[in-house]
Order: sequence, then C-alpha cells, then structure tokens
Amino acid sequence: SQQGEEDPQALSIQEGENATMNCSYKTSINNLQWYRQNSGRGLVHLILIRSNEREKHSGRLRVTLDTSKKSSSLLITASRAADTASYFCATEITGANSKLTFGKGITLSVRP
Amino acid sequence: GAVVSQHPSWVICKSGTSVKIECRSLDFQATTMFWYRQFPKQSLMLMATSNEGSKATYEQGVEKDKFLINHASLTLSTLTVTSAHPEDSSFYICSASRSQARLHFGNGTRLTVT
Repeated sequence: SQQGEEDPQALSIQEGENATMNCSYKTSINNLQWYRQNSGRGLVHLILIRSNEREKHSGRLRVTLDTSKKSSSLLITASRAADTASYFCATEITGANSKLTFGKGITLSVRP
Repeated sequence: GAVVSQHPSWVICKSGTSVKIECRSLDFQATTMFWYRQFPKQSLMLMATSNEGSKATYEQGVEKDKFLINHASLTLSTLTVTSAHPEDSSFYICSASRSQARLHFGNGTRLTVT
C-alpha cells in the first residue's frame, strides 16, 4: 500500500489564489519532502521538513508537518500559471537512509 | 546546485532488444543512486537502489535479471532493460543523493518498445 497519499488528486485554481495540497502517511518518518514534476520531466526538490519540525517556509511555499496525525500540507501562495505541474510528497521512513517513498501526486492547474 | 544527467531522454526500440540508460551525477559523487519507474499519471515506483562498487538492491517484484544495474563509479549508474517487451514501455527516472536526504533527479528516459 502507498506510504504517502496526497489529497486532492487534482486541483484547479485561478492565478493569484493560494493552493493547498495535503499528504498523509502511515509509518514513522525521518523527514517528509515535496517535489514538483513538470510533464515528461524529472522531479525537482521543493522543500524538506524533518520529523522534529512543524513548519517551514521557502519563498511562496509553506509546509507543515503534524506527526501525531501523520500528515503534511503544502501551501503555494499567490499562485502563477508557471506553478502548473504535478506535486508529490515523499517520505523517508525511519532507518531508510535516503530511500524515499512517493505518493501518487497532485495535479495542479493554475489558470491565467 | 547539484545536477544529475540522464541519457537518453527518449528511446524507441524493437521488442527483444536491450536498452541502456545512463545516470550521471555531474558535480558531486554519489555512492547511492536510485532508479524509478513511472507510468502515466502515476507515482514513482522505486525499482532498485544502486550502490557504487557493489550489487544493486532490488525492490520486491522487480526482476534483477531483466533490469541490470551497474554502478561502476561514483558518478555513473546504468540501467539496462534486457530483452525489452512492450510492457516495459515506461518513463524511467534516476536520482542521486548528495547530502541531507534530498534527492536530485535526472530528467527521465521515455522508453517505447514496439
């Protein structure tokens, strides 16, 4: 079964709006990471949050982590058409040493 | 920043032939690289962990004789799809870890087997 599950599966918003994507996981983790993938390309690392952290910011990105609920959220503020992509959460399970397990991904469409 | 180069970006081959995909870390040494497979609109499925100087570690259900992995140097890992069949058509992506757990990904290889 999938370690990470994103929600929603697809999201369509207007440029300028905020986009919130959620991820839930099942087992104890070292860290949780968010990646972005443009169609037909590799993944680009966005942000990493460790298990002892609750919130991190990077530019227009804000990530939260709730280990008690085994969930994370990625907020993209003031979205742009160029943010259109698939977003994946990935978890490094405790003891896995850089081995990541990816969720199914969220397709974000930002309408200009 | 760290760059991982994957080659070729796409390949079309006939059924029964073998295809080699290269993954290079351009500006750092990677003792560990990972190979993933991705179906359209699906997640990345880890196929194997490539370890420099030793045998790769394959995930359950991945045929090691079909997907040969060689990690002969600290900057190069190769995945060879042997005796390819149409069901092997997929998007293959490699990644490498430089430090602090984050992965750097190649741009992927689109394999089409006819």
